[in-house]
Amino acid sequence: GESVGLHLPTLSVQEGDNSIINCAYSNSASDYFIWYKQESGKGPQFIIDIRSNMDKRQGQRVTVLLNKTVKHLSLQIAATQPGDSAVYFCAEQISSGSARQLTFGSGTQLTVLP
Amino acid sequence: NAGVTQTPKFQVLKTGQSMTLQCAQDMNHNSMYWYRQDPGMGLRLIYYSASEGTTDKGEVPNGYNVSRLNKREFSLRLESAAPSQTSVYFCASSEWVLYGYTFGSGTRLTVV
Repeated sequence: GESVGLHLPTLSVQEGDNSIINCAYSNSASDYFIWYKQESGKGPQFIIDIRSNMDKRQGQRVTVLLNKTVKHLSLQIAATQPGDSAVYFCAEQISSGSARQLTFGSGTQLTVLP
Repeated sequence: NAGVTQTPKFQVLKTGQSMTLQCAQDMNHNSMYWYRQDPGMGLRLIYYSASEGTTDKGEVPNGYNVSRLNKREFSLRLESAAPSQTSVYFCASSEWVLYGYTFGSGTRLTVV
């Protein structure tokens, strides 16, 4: 079956450093990828997305890179802040019918150290 | 504020009891979803509704039923709760095309 997995379950970084969270996917037919942030006790929150026809997309302090050759996705957070501490999920879109279904990875816990 | 509203936020059930989790969105989205989230795992799709009047099974539908009451509301029902259904349940909605999902804040369900 299709799956989306993360290389590391936890990541600790110093405040001010850059963070890189990695994700592997297995379905070469996936055409859309999203990174979500989930803070404790809250629902996932959209961070940034990327289509399969792109290699890179930038947002405010965040960049997503997509390498379709090795089916790898990464989220880069610049100048990591304490408020960035959360679980980060990548999600892979497998289009089916008219509804966009997402398959989620298990998440990476990012901890920002003072 | 616009978004997805879930009720209740917390619930404790005894094995065999039934309950309905409610979800409503005010963004005029066509598609709605129910996910469950277990510790150390990602979100797993239970059921989804591509549009008003349609529902389909996701990855883990056993033990659940859903109703798309109208465009705004999508409910999840547990007919006979089991301890294995202890989880956090999230409702989400999306437009027909891209831009991802908007999630509710979740319902934390414990079955004892």
